[in-house]
Amino acid sequence: DAGVIQSPRHEVTEMGQEVTLRCKPISGHDYLFWYRQTMMRGLELLIYFNNNVPIDDSGMPEDRFSAKMPNASFSTLKIQPSEPRDSAVYFCASSLQGGPYGYTFGSGTRLTVV
Amino acid sequence: AQKVTQAQTEISVVEKEDVTLDCVYETRDTTYYLFWYKQPPSGELVFLIRRNSFDEQNEISGRYSWNFQKSTSSFNFTITASQVVDSAVYFCALSEARTGFQKLVFGTGTRLLVSP
Repeated sequence: DAGVIQSPRHEVTEMGQEVTLRCKPISGHDYLFWYRQTMMRGLELLIYFNNNVPIDDSGMPEDRFSAKMPNASFSTLKIQPSEPRDSAVYFCASSLQGGPYGYTFGSGTRLTVV
Repeated sequence: AQKVTQAQTEISVVEKEDVTLDCVYETRDTTYYLFWYKQPPSGELVFLIRRNSFDEQNEISGRYSWNFQKSTSSFNFTITASQVVDSAVYFCALSEARTGFQKLVFGTGTRLLVSP
């Protein structure tokens, strides 16, 4: 099992540019979660999907953020336009049957917006 | 209101010392889950343990042990005979029935530094 795979591991971009983060969940997992980790706010849930359908996006900070899951094996988190305050580590996690069984996290994408 | 409180920001110990990481949680649900995750310097989040609210039995796994006490809303984590490889940030987390258990709320983490 390859685990949850995120790409890229590091991303440096200029303010105003579009950024796309990618995630491949563990095969067979039916839940996918996007978290953001910052020094100020810690780990916070942005959005989660169940069977490719977005269930709760209340944590998405603003309209500049969007997430999609076109199929069971792929999800994207897009920021357009990016701002320096978006700099953070973004984690993707997947789970079989959801939260009570724990998540498996990816290695994260460290985003720096300059 | 902070749902998961990890009051210890950073703990430094010398190898072979025992160390306890504190976690206090707050919830109005009677059914919930508690977790511990480890974040080593490499950055990934590693699942350590899950406990549901109806199971107050303490658990031991090698050098790791967990003490769950509903009376004090605490879920503390003890590392016995700490090793340098235990150096990491440790997060306690809570998921509640009101969110369908899907939303993990994390504490702010405790950074553990184990020196040789």
